[in-house]
Amino acid sequence: AQSVAQPEDQVNVAEGNPLTVKCTYSVSGNPYLFWYVQYPNRGLQFLLKYITGDNLVKGSYGFEAEFNKSQTSFHLKKPSALVSDSALYFCAVGWPYAGNNRKLIWGLGTSLAVNP
Amino acid sequence: GAVVSQHPSWVICKSGTSVKIECRSLDFQATTMFWYRQFPKQSLMLMATSNEGSKATYEQGVEKDKFLINHASLTLSTLTVTSAHPEDSSFYICSAISPGTGGGGTQYFGPGTRLTVL
Repeated sequence: AQSVAQPEDQVNVAEGNPLTVKCTYSVSGNPYLFWYVQYPNRGLQFLLKYITGDNLVKGSYGFEAEFNKSQTSFHLKKPSALVSDSALYFCAVGWPYAGNNRKLIWGLGTSLAVNP
Repeated sequence: GAVVSQHPSWVICKSGTSVKIECRSLDFQATTMFWYRQFPKQSLMLMATSNEGSKATYEQGVEKDKFLINHASLTLSTLTVTSAHPEDSSFYICSAISPGTGGGGTQYFGPGTRLTVL
C-alpha cells in the first residue's frame, strides 16, 4: 500500500536552533512531494513542493526541503527556528495531474513546538 | 493568488438538521476540489474528490448519502451534511487544485468550517 510516514508526532526545538521535520514515503513512480503547515483552527497553508530538478527546494517563511530519492525522504528544514513556526506540519505525495486520481497521500502530521 | 474561501467558518446546529458548507476558489478556476475532515489533534481524512460537472468520488467508508457534494461550477463546491448528528461534529476543510504555473498543480486550502451538532 502506498503511504507517507512522519515518524515523529512531535518535535521540540529551541528558538534560533535549526529544525528538521522528517517525512518518508512508499509509493510507486515519481510523485510530486509537498509540505503544508496548519496553525490552530485554520486550514492548511502550502509551504513548498518538489516536482523535479534540484533536490533542495526552497519555500515560504524560510523553510526548505531536501528530496532524497534513494532514501525516499523529503525532510523539511529551517536553519533558525522561530516561536511563530510552532504549528502542525503535513507531508503529502501525489500526482496532481494524474487524470481522475489527483488526490494526495498524507502523512499523519508532526506538531512542532519552538520554545523561547 | 490561489485563494480558497469557505463559508460559514463555524456553525452550530441541532441534531437531525442539514448543514451546507460552501467552498469557493476566488481567483482561479478549479476543476477539482477536495473535502477533508479533521478531528482534534489528528490528521486529515479525505472524504471525497469533487470534479466539476460530474459526481463526486467518495473515499471508502464515507457515506455519500449523508455527505452530499455538488460541484456545479468551476469556482464553487458545496458539502451538505444531511441529518446531522453529534458524531458529525468536526472540522471540515476544502481544497482546490490550482492550475498554477511551471507544473505541479498545488492544492490550496480553505480556512475550514467548525461544525458542532447539538
